[in-house]
Amino acid sequence: QKEVEQNSGPLSVPEGAIASLNCTYSDRVSQSFFWYRQYSGKSPELIMSIYSNGDKEDGRFTAQLNKASQYVSLLIRDSQPSDSATYLCAVNVGGGSNYKLTFGKGTLLTVNP
Amino acid sequence: NAGVTQTPKFRILKIGQSMTLQCAQDMNHNYMYWYRQDPGMGLKLIYYSVGAGITDKGEVPNGYNVSRSTTEDFPLRLELAAPSQTSVYFCASIFRGEQFFGPGTRLTVL
Repeated sequence: QKEVEQNSGPLSVPEGAIASLNCTYSDRVSQSFFWYRQYSGKSPELIMSIYSNGDKEDGRFTAQLNKASQYVSLLIRDSQPSDSATYLCAVNVGGGSNYKLTFGKGTLLTVNP
Repeated sequence: NAGVTQTPKFRILKIGQSMTLQCAQDMNHNYMYWYRQDPGMGLKLIYYSVGAGITDKGEVPNGYNVSRSTTEDFPLRLELAAPSQTSVYFCASIFRGEQFFGPGTRLTVL
């Protein structure tokens, strides 16, 4: 069974702090990695994708990928109350061209004003 | 473009009833997916399609069927609904290797 594991949370941080979300995956051939944000009662919204080892920055968000350790993380700098949501890690397990995703269970983030 | 649309938004079924969840996209995307999300869980892939006339099973296909007669539409059929199919169902399509989701259908089977 190819798995994606996330730190279970919930995670609570004060406004302005850095929130760190972590994800590990079991299949070494995975090539594509995604972070989705999901507000309660809404559909997942793509916020970051990463395909190569290293860091990728987009505004206050930084995704980090380490394929040797099978680890991908998301850092949210200057966290805002509007960042409060569940964050889902998704992996194109198997690296196939059909783009099937396996999701982690999600980490609930609360940013306190 | 309307993106990915799903109907209905909500539905309550009785055990043993059947229904079709509709999904449509107007972006001419070939790849489309159906997921279900149970409370406190991530999404699990039910079925997917790489183009009109081509479908394949995902992780949890039992109790569901799909068809893809056009590029735009990818309906999900539930036959003989069971309480275990109570969930939120999301349809998605691919754009430049990234999946974008419809608003979801919340289904309750009683």
